[in-house]
Amino acid sequence: NAGVTQTPKFRILKIGQSMTLQCAQDMNHNYMYWYRQDPGMGLKLIYYSVGAGITDKGEVPNGYNVSRSTTEDFPLRLELAAPSQTSVYFCASSYGTSGGDTQYFGPGTRLTVL
Amino acid sequence: GENVEQHPSTLSVQEGDSAVIKCTYSDSASNYFPWYKQELGKRPQLIIDIRSNVGEKKDQRIAVTLNKTAKHFSLHITETQPEDSAVYFCAAGPMDSSYKLIFGSGTRLLVRP
Repeated sequence: NAGVTQTPKFRILKIGQSMTLQCAQDMNHNYMYWYRQDPGMGLKLIYYSVGAGITDKGEVPNGYNVSRSTTEDFPLRLELAAPSQTSVYFCASSYGTSGGDTQYFGPGTRLTVL
Repeated sequence: GENVEQHPSTLSVQEGDSAVIKCTYSDSASNYFPWYKQELGKRPQLIIDIRSNVGEKKDQRIAVTLNKTAKHFSLHITETQPEDSAVYFCAAGPMDSSYKLIFGSGTRLLVRP
């Protein structure tokens, strides 16, 4: 199993540009998440999905959009990129079971907005 | 909103010594407390977790303790080794809603050989 994969690994955007960060998992997980990690900070939840066709906002959703048309894929869309969106983005997935649910993270995408 | 505070932000220990990282949380509904380790340039990975029905859990050199009354939990690493050097994140949330997990700001642990 490849686990959780993300593309691209690095990207530089100009202010106002748009892009899509790709995320895929092959573990048949129901739940998927997008986090951002700023220097010296923890992981902040942007959006999450509890299944195909179902998405919801996390703690910091402004400036982002998501979709979940399949169980495997959960792309994150940045519209009108701003310097404040410079960060490392992690996608994660989990089974969604009750009782404590291990989240498996992808390798991350380092995004710089200039 | 709900919050998880983590201390210290950096910790330097001599190889073989113990390291302790502490977290406090605000949401009394939290009953699941995982710890993630992130090596430099890598993805976070779960190293241990604890649920509110236990006060302590051990896995070889790593242990986690929980005090629900005081709303704090701690990670203990004994006999530290250079490969323990990493950033450690605590998190807290309800067991049945993993999307409500709140992460601490992280502790950078450096183990000096």
